[in-house]
Amino acid sequence: EAQVTQNPRYLITVTGKKLTVTCSQNMNHEYMSWYRQDPGLGLRQIYYSMNVEVTDKGDVPEGYKVSRKEKRNFPLILESPSPNQTSLYFCASSPSGEPQHFGDGTRLSIL
Amino acid sequence: AQKITQTQPGMFVQEKEAVTLDCTYDTSDQSYGLFWYKQPSSGEMIFLIYQGSYDEQNATEGRYSLNFQKARKSANLVISASQLGDSAMYFCAMREGQGEYGNKLVFGAGTILRVKS
Repeated sequence: EAQVTQNPRYLITVTGKKLTVTCSQNMNHEYMSWYRQDPGLGLRQIYYSMNVEVTDKGDVPEGYKVSRKEKRNFPLILESPSPNQTSLYFCASSPSGEPQHFGDGTRLSIL
Repeated sequence: AQKITQTQPGMFVQEKEAVTLDCTYDTSDQSYGLFWYKQPSSGEMIFLIYQGSYDEQNATEGRYSLNFQKARKSANLVISASQLGDSAMYFCAMREGQGEYGNKLVFGAGTILRVKS
């Protein structure tokens, strides 16, 4: 089954404790992105990757890091999380120009 | 300036009736794509329908159709014969260009639809 898998689905943690949200897709897609969803703002792109070892900033990259060492994986790293990063996060993948497939989301709460 | 505007924060519709969710967009690109996604209360993002800027016919997918008016820069979603399971948040989104910026989608703020029995 074609899917984008994010882990964890839910996480409550404390300010400053490094965390990683994993994202894996099994569709051999070149493009992968991370978005965050906040009420009244829709989804905003954090980082994206157009292929292995090719990543770039989206609209709201501050406080986040990513890497793309393999085509299927695109982890999101919060080195020193802060409360304003409490949000619902989505990973997405797609071939060029096609609709994006979204993961089920990761709800992060940073206390 | 907002690139995607959804002016209806919330809508109600009677079961079995049709409903239109509004979306206007702003871009100077000639090539772009317009998407609608559904987000039920469980949180996942479900792709519904796509319209390319060069497509001359309005897109349709089952009970979903996209009323594309290019000159007015609007891409309204029409859901026919509403069902209780259509109750969800609906997002309009735009991809500018052909995949630059990682196929980035710019989203509207969303419209919550509630279907009444």
